[in-house]
Amino acid sequence: KQEVTQIPAALSVPEGENLVLNCSFTDSAIYNLQWFRQDPGKGLTSLLLIQSSQREQTSGRLNASLDKSSGRSTLYIAASQPGDSATYLCAVRRTQGGSEKLVFGKGTKLTVNP
Amino acid sequence: DGGITQSPKYLFRKEGQNVTLSCEQNLNHDAMYWYRQDPGQGLRLIYYSQIVNDFQKGDIAEGYSVSREKKESFPLTVTSAQKNPTAFYLCASSRGRLANQPQHFGDGTRLSIL
Repeated sequence: KQEVTQIPAALSVPEGENLVLNCSFTDSAIYNLQWFRQDPGKGLTSLLLIQSSQREQTSGRLNASLDKSSGRSTLYIAASQPGDSATYLCAVRRTQGGSEKLVFGKGTKLTVNP
Repeated sequence: DGGITQSPKYLFRKEGQNVTLSCEQNLNHDAMYWYRQDPGQGLRLIYYSQIVNDFQKGDIAEGYSVSREKKESFPLTVTSAQKNPTAFYLCASSRGRLANQPQHFGDGTRLSIL
């Protein structure tokens, strides 16, 4: 059974700092991995999707990497801003049955202090 | 603007009552999903539909029912058999399992027991 773990559960940093969020998964047979952002009381916003054949994806100040063999992904946020404060979730898409089922981690709650 | 609309934003259920959560999308997506989110927990899949008139149980389908009569709509009914319905419910959609595209989410419905 695929399990996704995100460490740390919460992180507080001063504005301007570069930071890394971690995601690990137990079964390396994944189709893709997604990083999402969730603001309080809101739905999820897709940030980056990494295909299983890719090593990384970049969007603006965000960079996500994927190492399937070790079951790890990282989300790097450069020059953090207070507006980056949110919960960040990673999710892996399972390959079995060809379905699009996602398995989610519990998230990392990020606070960027001005 | 294309997107996913969930209604209502807040919903209260009485003992023994069935309630229905609405999810509508105008993204022309084939696949739709319902997730449940509990505090401090990752999202868990309730039901999903990859095409009109077809749907599959997710990991926690007991006490819930769905229908997919139209491509744009995927309502979720929380029945009286669901003994712990208090949670944040999120609807999502995607182009389909072959497209390898991210899932898009609505803003959620928060369900509470009266």
